[in-house]
Amino acid sequence: SYVLTQPPSVSVAPGKTARITCGGNNIGIKSVHWYQQKPDQAPVLVIYYDTDRPSGIPERFSGSNSGYTATLTISRVEAGDEADYYCQVWDSSNDWVFGGGTKLTVL
Amino acid sequence: QVQLVQSGAEVRKPGASVKVSCKASGYTFTSHSMHWVRQAPGQGLEWVGIINPSGGTTSYAQKLQGRVTMTRDSSTSTVYMELSSLRSGDTAVYYCARSHCSGAVCPIDYWGQGTLVTVSS
Repeated sequence: SYVLTQPPSVSVAPGKTARITCGGNNIGIKSVHWYQQKPDQAPVLVIYYDTDRPSGIPERFSGSNSGYTATLTISRVEAGDEADYYCQVWDSSNDWVFGGGTKLTVL
Repeated sequence: QVQLVQSGAEVRKPGASVKVSCKASGYTFTSHSMHWVRQAPGQGLEWVGIINPSGGTTSYAQKLQGRVTMTRDSSTSTVYMELSSLRSGDTAVYYCARSHCSGAVCPIDYWGQGTLVTVSS
């Protein structure tokens, strides 16, 4: 089955840029979605189809996908961005797959 | 506005079954597939399966095949997820989550509030 690999944690100072990666075999040919989950809340979609941003999500959130790595980039990080972030793809084995999640800590 | 309202928390003994419901409102029920996603305490998200309310077709995570069944009742805009032969590893919050569109690669755009299922002797 398809595996998505994320770093367990990323730390960044306020105002700086956070990059969260999602690795997978030839992930560049798949559509990647990203979700933000804050404690005791349901996840929220922040990026879909690699680069698109839902309404209501700040422009500070952006995504890219190429080769073996997809990346969620958060510019000008704020304290309120502290959360767990998950990437997701659909695999041809008919399974949806989530990455293991990355805990973003704002220092 | 789109709402997904799930049934309340459940406690089951190992070997038993549980059925969780998710009532949808605010959109055309048959136009969007519904995922089920679970999250064990302190762990990440795990996809459980998906049902297309239009035809009732389903696809389940390979590791849960044979133990999970998803159904729908279009008259009440409700989907159900039943998990049998429960074990302690099934303890988790179970979310229903709407697919943005009908294709396989569509993102999830709305989530239910989650239902805690606890499996304990």
